[in-house]
Order: sequence, then structure tokens, then C-alpha cells
Amino acid sequence: QKEVEQNSGPLSVPEGAIASLNCTYSDRGSQSFFWYRQYSGKSPELIMSIYSNGDKEDGRFTAQLNKASQYVSLLIRDSQPSDSATYLCAVKTSYDKVIFGPGTSLSVIP
Amino acid sequence: NAGVTQTPKFQVLKTGQSMTLQCAQDMNHNSMYWYRQDPGMGLRLIYYSASEGTTDKGEVPNGYNVSRLNKREFSLRLESAAPSQTSVYFCASSEAYPGDIQYFGAGTRLSVL
Repeated sequence: QKEVEQNSGPLSVPEGAIASLNCTYSDRGSQSFFWYRQYSGKSPELIMSIYSNGDKEDGRFTAQLNKASQYVSLLIRDSQPSDSATYLCAVKTSYDKVIFGPGTSLSVIP
Repeated sequence: NAGVTQTPKFQVLKTGQSMTLQCAQDMNHNSMYWYRQDPGMGLRLIYYSASEGTTDKGEVPNGYNVSRLNKREFSLRLESAAPSQTSVYFCASSEAYPGDIQYFGAGTRLSVL
């Protein structure tokens, strides 16, 4: 089992819809979770971090964490073509390493 | 502020050649990292430096060496390049290790022929 797993996609959603990106992790003791966005040919940039169970909202983005299910998700409301990118989930494990998932490619269709 | 600066942006090598990728950060961060990114593989950690004067192996260190020259600079050296090292290389930094929030450079696209 890989330490951090994501659906590779591509995930296609129409403009204005909600995009839902999912991530699962294997280390039950993980405490910190991050979502990075990476545009094609560019470097990753942090868009959300979450540390506690529940939802965390920042503008059109909502991160959801369920530690019991070892699951973290990112919802993008009112998706825009400019949201088209690869989204990387990263997890800080209990053994002090940050592990990145393989990323999910999102395409928002105008 | 430039953030994290990597040089060069592109490089083509022949098998067996050597080269050094340079990275510098101006955020006074203690920790620095080198990753490689291959299609479908996500970011894989090559080496990291938790603090000035220390370096440690990551997930895929074979064929690479690093130097933490000072607090600002962290270089990655390929002693004898192989086609399997064709990849995009990212340098990153964070305030502390293991780096809740990492800031990435623009990347180096390396092709080994």
C-alpha cells in the first residue's frame, strides 16, 4: 500500500461545478495535511493546510479531514478554468516525514 | 523577494557527464530539500538538509550527492548522469524540518541522452 494515494484522474468538471479531490493515507498517526496546486510546467504552491478533523474553508476551497477514515479531501466550489491544474496531497507522518501523493489532474471545461 | 531560486532551468547532458544543480533561498529557512518529479510518480525526495551543516538521504538518493553550502544554498550533484535521471528537479525550503509548508523553486528540466 502506498503511503499517500490519490486518484490520478484526469477529473473533468464543467465551469461553475464543484470539483472534489480525494486523498487517502496509510499512517494512522499522521497529524498534518496539505494541498498543493501545480500548474502545467510550474512548481507546486500551497493552497490549503488542515490539522483537525472537520472542514476548513478558504474562499472557494474547502479541505475536509477524517482521521478515523484516514481520508482528506479538497472541494473547489464554482470551479473556474483557471483551477485546471494538478493537485498534490501531502501528509506529514508520525515518523516526521512529509509524503506527497502522485497528484490528481483537474480540468475545468468552460 | 525571490523566494527559492534554482539554476539552470533546462539542461541536456550526455550519459556519464556530471553537473551541479544550484538552489538558493532568501527566506532564512532552516531546512532545504531536493525532489524529482516524474510522470505519475509525484514528488520523490532525493536528499534533504534539516539544518545548516546536516544532510540526509531521502527516498531516492542513489546517483546523487548534495552540499549544504551555507544556510541559503543547497546544491545537488549528478556525478555520472544516466538516462534514468531524466526528470524535473525541484528545490524547496521550509522554516523547520520536516516542513509543514514547503516553498518550491521553479524547477530544472534535465534530459540525459
